[in-house]
Amino acid sequence: EVQLLESGGGLVQPGGSLRLSCAASGFAFNSYAMTWVRQAPGKGLEWVSGISISGDRTYYADSVKGRFNISRDNDKNTLFLQMNSLRAEDTAVYYCAKTWVSLWYFDLWGRGTLVTVSS
Amino acid sequence: EIVLRQSPATLSLSPGERATLSCRASPSISSYLAWYQQKPGQAPRLLIYDASNRATGIPARFSGSGSGTDFTLTISSLEPEDFAVYYCQHRSNWPLAFGGGTKVEIK
Repeated sequence: EVQLLESGGGLVQPGGSLRLSCAASGFAFNSYAMTWVRQAPGKGLEWVSGISISGDRTYYADSVKGRFNISRDNDKNTLFLQMNSLRAEDTAVYYCAKTWVSLWYFDLWGRGTLVTVSS
Repeated sequence: EIVLRQSPATLSLSPGERATLSCRASPSISSYLAWYQQKPGQAPRLLIYDASNRATGIPARFSGSGSGTDFTLTISSLEPEDFAVYYCQHRSNWPLAFGGGTKVEIK
């Protein structure tokens, strides 16, 4: 089955860190760029970060630049998001998603993992 | 940085009616725009890419148009399963961005 499965979310205090993982299956993970998108409770979608096929190019939203780091392990078909210096406004469901052919649109999404930043 | 503004925020229509959703980009993004549908508790679903191309498996009642700064998603005749939130997204340059969304609700 073609799917993405996020994990690693949870409750963390402001200033803390969390590492999200996204396990891919059913498709050639090493042939697609990947991305993270988040959605705060009751709010719209916010693009967070993207990574190229080989991992040599990474991209970030201004809101997370310098605090978040995206990476991937093509041997283990897994995408990561290291989140540091977390703030209350980072509270959201975090989705990983696969790019559509070679374009930066997203045709396969995980179910998301909830990150709550609160004391 | 490109900003996408969607209107209206909410569209109240009946099944069978035509829905017209707008997405405005500033500055211009050529045709580098996609549309997604999201239902409660679900991940988004890609409907349209590069302004006017339907993604795999998307019904013909969904169509996209526009270029530059003004884009439209049209649902020709609303089915019960089409009531959802719709987002536009650009890929023109970094950072990528989504619009704020339009909720299509049952009147």
